[in-house]
Amino acid sequence: SQQGEEDPQALSIQEGENATMNCSYKTSINNLQWYRQNSGRGLVHLILIRSNEREKHSGRLRVTLDTSKKSSSLLITASRAADTASYFCATAGTDSWGKFQFGAGTQVVVTP
Amino acid sequence: NAGVTQTPKFRVLKTGQSMTLLCAQDMNHEYMYWYRQDPGMGLRLIHYSVGEGTTAKGEVPDGYNVSRLKKQNFLLGLESAAPSQTSVYFCASSYSPGADNEQFFGPGTRLTVL
Repeated sequence: SQQGEEDPQALSIQEGENATMNCSYKTSINNLQWYRQNSGRGLVHLILIRSNEREKHSGRLRVTLDTSKKSSSLLITASRAADTASYFCATAGTDSWGKFQFGAGTQVVVTP
Repeated sequence: NAGVTQTPKFRVLKTGQSMTLLCAQDMNHEYMYWYRQDPGMGLRLIHYSVGEGTTAKGEVPDGYNVSRLKKQNFLLGLESAAPSQTSVYFCASSYSPGADNEQFFGPGTRLTVL
């Protein structure tokens, strides 16, 4: 079974709007990472948040982590058409040995 | 640097045929991974390797074998392909076993088994 579950499954917004997606997981983690996948391409790492961190920023990205609720959110501010992609959360468990479990992803479409 | 490359990009097999997917990385990474991605699902780990000469099973290893004879290469083999193995296969690598390290992904191989 998958560790991470993203919500919503799909999101459609207009350029300039913010996009928020959530990830819930089941077991204790070392860290949680977000990846982006453009259509027909491999995944690209966006940001990592450790289990002892609550919030992290990278450019237009803001990630929060609530370990008590076992959930994380990814916010993309001032979205652009180029942000159209699928976004996946990946969790590394406390005994993961570098293994990650990925959720099913949120498909984001940003229209000009 | 080329990063992570995968060969081939596309392949069509008939049921029962065999094939090998090649993954190569030029970043001197210790860890390498093979995932499959199916519609509506995230990536599922097939096998992984923690270093040259070592491999381990992931979440969905049945029907696949792997080898890591050289540090830079990780091969995924299908001995007798089945339609259920139709998928997109991604290879990834990371620098160390530490869970703090990001994974670098290849562009994927789209495999269809008829």
